[in-house]
Amino acid sequence: KQEVTQIPAALSVPEGENLVLNCSFTDSAIYNLQWFRQDPGKGLTSLLLIQSSQREQTSGRLNASLDKSSGRSTLYIAASQPGDSATYLCAVVDSGGGADGLTFGKGTHLIIQP
Amino acid sequence: DVKVTQSSRYLVKRTGEKVFLECVQDMDHENMFWYRQDPGLGLRLIYFSYDVKMKEKGDIPEGYSVSREKKERFSLILESASTNQTSMYLCASSFPSGNTGELFFGEGSRLTVL
Repeated sequence: KQEVTQIPAALSVPEGENLVLNCSFTDSAIYNLQWFRQDPGKGLTSLLLIQSSQREQTSGRLNASLDKSSGRSTLYIAASQPGDSATYLCAVVDSGGGADGLTFGKGTHLIIQP
Repeated sequence: DVKVTQSSRYLVKRTGEKVFLECVQDMDHENMFWYRQDPGLGLRLIYFSYDVKMKEKGDIPEGYSVSREKKERFSLILESASTNQTSMYLCASSFPSGNTGELFFGEGSRLTVL
């Protein structure tokens, strides 16, 4: 059974720093991997989706990479801002691609200090 | 702009009441999901549906049922609410993995059972 781990569980950095969030998964036979952002008391907002054939995706100050062979993905946030403070979750879809083949990590709670 | 709408952001119910949580998506997605999210436990899948009138149990279906009479609407039903069902409930939808598989979430419904 797929397991998704996000380390660290919490991270606090000063504004302006570049930072990396990590996501690891135990079964490399995945269909895609998705990064989400969740603000307190809200739903999840999709940030980036990486298909298994891709190595990275970029959106603005965000860059997500995927290394299937090592079972890892990273989310790089450039020039962090206080508005980036949120919980970031990753989720993988297993290669069977079925609706139940989706596994979430527990997230990294990020605080950007002004 | 893609949209998943959950009918109620906040609900307070009494033990034993029947509770309906409604979710509507406007993206013509085949897949729809209901999750609950609790501190320290992450997201747990309750039920999902990959087509109209189709439903599949997730990891924690006990105490819940679902209905999908129309493609755009997926309802979660608590037949007799209990205090241990106090939680944040999140609805999501997606195309099948063969068509991007990107997952979109609603804003969440915070249910308190007294």
